[in-house]
Amino acid sequence: SQTIHQWPATLVQPVGSPLSLECTVEGTSNPNLYWYRQAAGRGLQLLFYSVGIGQISSEVPQNLSASRPQDRQFILSSKKLLLSDSGFYLCAWSPGPEQYFGPGTRLTVT
Amino acid sequence: LAKTTQPISMDSYEGQEVNITCSHNNIATNDYITWYQQFPSQGPRFIIQGYKTKVTNEVASLFIPADRKSSTLSLPRVSLSDTAVYYCLVGGGSSNTGKLIFGQGTTLQVKP
Repeated sequence: SQTIHQWPATLVQPVGSPLSLECTVEGTSNPNLYWYRQAAGRGLQLLFYSVGIGQISSEVPQNLSASRPQDRQFILSSKKLLLSDSGFYLCAWSPGPEQYFGPGTRLTVT
Repeated sequence: LAKTTQPISMDSYEGQEVNITCSHNNIATNDYITWYQQFPSQGPRFIIQGYKTKVTNEVASLFIPADRKSSTLSLPRVSLSDTAVYYCLVGGGSSNTGKLIFGQGTTLQVKP
C-alpha cells in the first residue's frame, strides 16, 4: 500500500530564517505531487505541483520554492521566512483524479 | 478548473442523514467530482469520487445528475465523529495534471 510522510510535524522558526520541509511517498512510482498551505480557519491553497522529477509548477507568487530531486521526494523551501508564511503545510500525491494527503507540518513563524 | 459552491456550514443531529450539495456549473467533460473530509490539524481525507449517476461506498453516497452541474454528498446516520469540514472539488482530468482547487468547504456540526 502507499503511504505519504511529512516532517517535521511542527516547526517554530524566526522571521528571516530558512525553511525546508520534506515529503516522501512510498509504494508508488511517478506520482503527481502537491504542496498546499492552509491558514487558520481557511481552505487549502495550492502552492506547487509536480508531474515528474525536476518539473515544478508554481501556483502562487511568494518567497517559497519547491524541488523534486527524486521521484518520490518533494521539498518545500524558503531562504527567508516571513510572518505570513505561518500555516499548516500539506503534501499530497495522486495516482489519478483523487489526491491523498500527508499528516502535515504546522509552521509558526515568530 | 471548475469553481464549486457549497454551503458554508450545516448542523445536524446524531443518527440523521446529512446531504451536502455542491454546485459546479462549469464542470468540464473530463472532470471528476471528489469529496474530502478534514478534521482539525489533519490533512483532508478522500471520501468518495464519481463521474456521473450514483456512487456508493462504505462511508457515503454521491449523487450526480445527468447534467453534472451539481452533486450531493449523502452521509447516512451521522455521528459526533462526523463533525468536520467537507470539501467538494471538481477536476483531476488528464488535461490539468490533477490540480485541485479547494474552496472554503462546508463545516458540518453534528449535535448529540
